[in-house]
Amino acid sequence: DTAVSQTPKYLVTQMGNDKSIKCEQNLGHDTMYWYKQDSKKFLKIMFSYNNKELIINETVPNRFSPKSPDKAHLNLHINSLELGDSAVYFCASSSGQGAYEQYFGPGTRLTVT
Amino acid sequence: GENVEQHPSTLSVQEGDSAVIKCTYSDSASNYFPWYKQELGKRPQLIIDIRSNVGEKKDQRIAVTLNKTAKHFSLHITETQPEDSAVYFCAASNGNAGNMLTFGGGTRLMVKP
Repeated sequence: DTAVSQTPKYLVTQMGNDKSIKCEQNLGHDTMYWYKQDSKKFLKIMFSYNNKELIINETVPNRFSPKSPDKAHLNLHINSLELGDSAVYFCASSSGQGAYEQYFGPGTRLTVT
Repeated sequence: GENVEQHPSTLSVQEGDSAVIKCTYSDSASNYFPWYKQELGKRPQLIIDIRSNVGEKKDQRIAVTLNKTAKHFSLHITETQPEDSAVYFCAASNGNAGNMLTFGGGTRLMVKP
């Protein structure tokens, strides 16, 4: 059983295009996240959603827009893709207050050409 | 905001030796310190974590120590094996704002057989 899943696994696209990455968790968690891992492997939080409400936006350009249709899903839409957006994007989830472990999805490798 | 520094960035050891990775954090309100292991092309996975009311925690060959006064924590791996080769990330969280984790820059551990 896949706890946190993401689609697609790989995404190759040209500058200026718009793309989406989907994330689903079947752990019953209340909080979901998006992280960006750059070429130097640095992991940085982008968004955090708790019960479908955005509670963190870490200075991410407004070209990135998270959408959460329900607490099991957190999708990431990116407009006007730029070369610097090339990275691996990880979705993660965790239980609500009092439980901290984050479970990561398999990642989506985005390459912008 | 929180800032987590991790050292060394790369670490090479012989199989059977011990490995130590160190992290410092800046926010004295941080109370949760997980360690994640990321194998090549895979997702980060939690290997051990420690909370601020504990000074040390062990799990088989892995141990983590925490010094709240000095604001640093360390990962100790004993009797290293080739399968321990991976990138290790420390992180810190104050448990607020959706359990936001701030990650260190990562340590690439190479265990030579």
